[in-house]
Amino acid sequence: QKEVEQNSGPLSVPEGAIASLNCTYSDRGSQSFFWYRQYSGKSPELIMSIYSNGDKEDGRFTAQLNKASQYVSLLIRDSQPSDSATYLCAVNPNGGSQGNLIFGKGTKLSVKP
Amino acid sequence: GAVVSQHPSWVICKSGTSVKIECRSLDFQATTMFWYRQFPKQSLMLMATSNEGSKATYEQGVEKDKFLINHASLTLSTLTVTSAHPEDSSFYICSARDYLQGEETQYFGPGTRLLVL
Repeated sequence: QKEVEQNSGPLSVPEGAIASLNCTYSDRGSQSFFWYRQYSGKSPELIMSIYSNGDKEDGRFTAQLNKASQYVSLLIRDSQPSDSATYLCAVNPNGGSQGNLIFGKGTKLSVKP
Repeated sequence: GAVVSQHPSWVICKSGTSVKIECRSLDFQATTMFWYRQFPKQSLMLMATSNEGSKATYEQGVEKDKFLINHASLTLSTLTVTSAHPEDSSFYICSARDYLQGEETQYFGPGTRLLVL
């Protein structure tokens, strides 16, 4: 069974620190990887997508992918209290146009002022 | 970015009634939409994949006769919860597939909270 694993947290970091969120996946053939942010009571919001090994940066967010280790991470620099949310890792094991994402259970991040 | 809307945002109904939820892609055409359900403090669970002009594909354990999906146009998919019961109370979220810089991406609607009394 294809799985996506995340530490449920909560992960607590002080304001201004770097928050590091990690995710592992079981299907070695997975091609597409996504990070979503979900505030309490709201639907997920896409933050980052990554498809190739290495780092991808977008503002304060950096996604890192290591397909050999089946590992994807999200770094949030200069964390703000408004970053407090649950972060969902999602993997498309089929790639291409299949689009059936498998979600992890999410890591709850708390940024303390 | 791509915008997906849902209607209604919340609904309360009596047990045994049917509820229809609409999912619309506002600024793009979506041949494929997805329906998820999320119970409190749990992760998203994919219920079905909705394809424009064809039958939906349901995940294992999801009753297709209870959760009717219609994807009649490139911008609209509907989910009808038939004969709703209290255990169907949940947060229902749709998503639509779009392409961002050539890569396939899913965008979520704001969700619909269903409470069955």
